[in-house]
Amino acid sequence: DAKTTQPPSMDCAEGRAANLPCNHSTISGNEYVYWYRQIHSQGPQYIIHGLKNNETNEMASLIITEDRKSSTLILPHATLRDTAVYYCIVRATNTGNQFYFGTGTSLTVIP
Amino acid sequence: DVKVTQSSRYLVKRTGEKVFLECVQDMDHENMFWYRQDPGLGLRLIYFSYDVKMKEKGDIPEGYSVSREKKERFSLILESASTNQTSMYLCASSFKENIQYFGAGTRLSVL
Repeated sequence: DAKTTQPPSMDCAEGRAANLPCNHSTISGNEYVYWYRQIHSQGPQYIIHGLKNNETNEMASLIITEDRKSSTLILPHATLRDTAVYYCIVRATNTGNQFYFGTGTSLTVIP
Repeated sequence: DVKVTQSSRYLVKRTGEKVFLECVQDMDHENMFWYRQDPGLGLRLIYFSYDVKMKEKGDIPEGYSVSREKKERFSLILESASTNQTSMYLCASSFKENIQYFGAGTRLSVL
């Protein structure tokens, strides 16, 4: 699975959009980009995933660059409950089943 | 919504005790996983199962065993608990190779 690089921490004002970047310059053609988040002392929560097109769901939007070497997770109107560690994972769906979580980005939403 | 339920949120056991961690999912998923999460080490896969009575070792299976007698239930067993098994244990399930859904986690302390 391709390695990902994320900033260790970010702050965002409540009500503003939170834009979390992820670099995955060695991504392969069959690898998807997944985003999870983990609120303190809870299990990771799936947010969104995509291959090459931008994706949107009720939680967030995922923007993948045309060369697929980086992506951005957008939380359109951050709330205090969005304070969490956000993980960007690159993974092919036909590999040996596990997700490799790195250290992620610790997002703090400030009132 | 997918629900993955872990039997205990917090557990305290003594060294040498046999410990059972139970996980149940309600979405008829074929694949189930056990991870442990430690500060600075991220999530590490202990065992996974892709069918009833089937199991595969993950990256750190030593000191653990698993049981999957029914599709919805995956148990992690610590045959003789040791202090270095103090950790957060996370169960996940998925349909084929797709998104993994996690339980809330069990924080195990071995004294």
